Amino acid sequence: KAGVTQTPRYLIKTRGQQVTLSCSPISGHRSVSWYQQTPGQGLQFLFEYFSETQRNKGNFPGRFSGRQFSNSRSEMNVSTLELGDSALYLCASQKQGVTTGELFFGEGSRLTVL
Amino acid sequence: EDQVTQSPEALRLQEGESSSLNCSYTVSGLRGLFWYRQDPGKGPEFLFTLYSAGEEKEKERLKATLTKKESFLHITAPKPEDSATYLCAVVGTGTASKLTFGTGTRLQVTL
Repeated sequence: KAGVTQTPRYLIKTRGQQVTLSCSPISGHRSVSWYQQTPGQGLQFLFEYFSETQRNKGNFPGRFSGRQFSNSRSEMNVSTLELGDSALYLCASQKQGVTTGELFFGEGSRLTVL
Repeated sequence: EDQVTQSPEALRLQEGESSSLNCSYTVSGLRGLFWYRQDPGKGPEFLFTLYSAGEEKEKERLKATLTKKESFLHITAPKPEDSATYLCAVVGTGTASKLTFGTGTRLQVTL
């Protein structure tokens, strides 16, 4: 059974640019969540999508956005990149509509902003 | 706002030397407390879910327990392959699908 796939794994951008990250969940999983992980803050919740609808959103500025497609694949976009956006962005999927806490994480996309 | 604090930040053990990791939490109506393991360069891997005070879960050398204010992850006779960062997270009744994570405990087990 294939796991959660995130692309790209590594990317380098400069301030002011925008970036799009992609996540393919485990087959049959309809919920996709995104987290930002930094050494100082740990994992912080960005947003969660279920059946193409954003169900929950964290405390991040509007520069961070996401969407989910009918095949449950998800993308997140960060516009007008800042140095502080450098982080590991993790995608996680789960099967059920109500969270059980048993999230299946991908290996992440490591973004460096110069 | 839900909060999770983990201690210690880092722990170094010798193989076979048992210890415990702590996770203190404040949450409005606990729906679940979760333990994850994260290896370098990897995403977190789910270990346990605990729902109510007094509950315990075990998996190999790991045992998780829960009280109304904290959770412990007990590691019995650890091996070098147990070296990882252990993350604790909670979900409250008001936060639906959002997990609030602690910053983790980095465990190193040496021979």
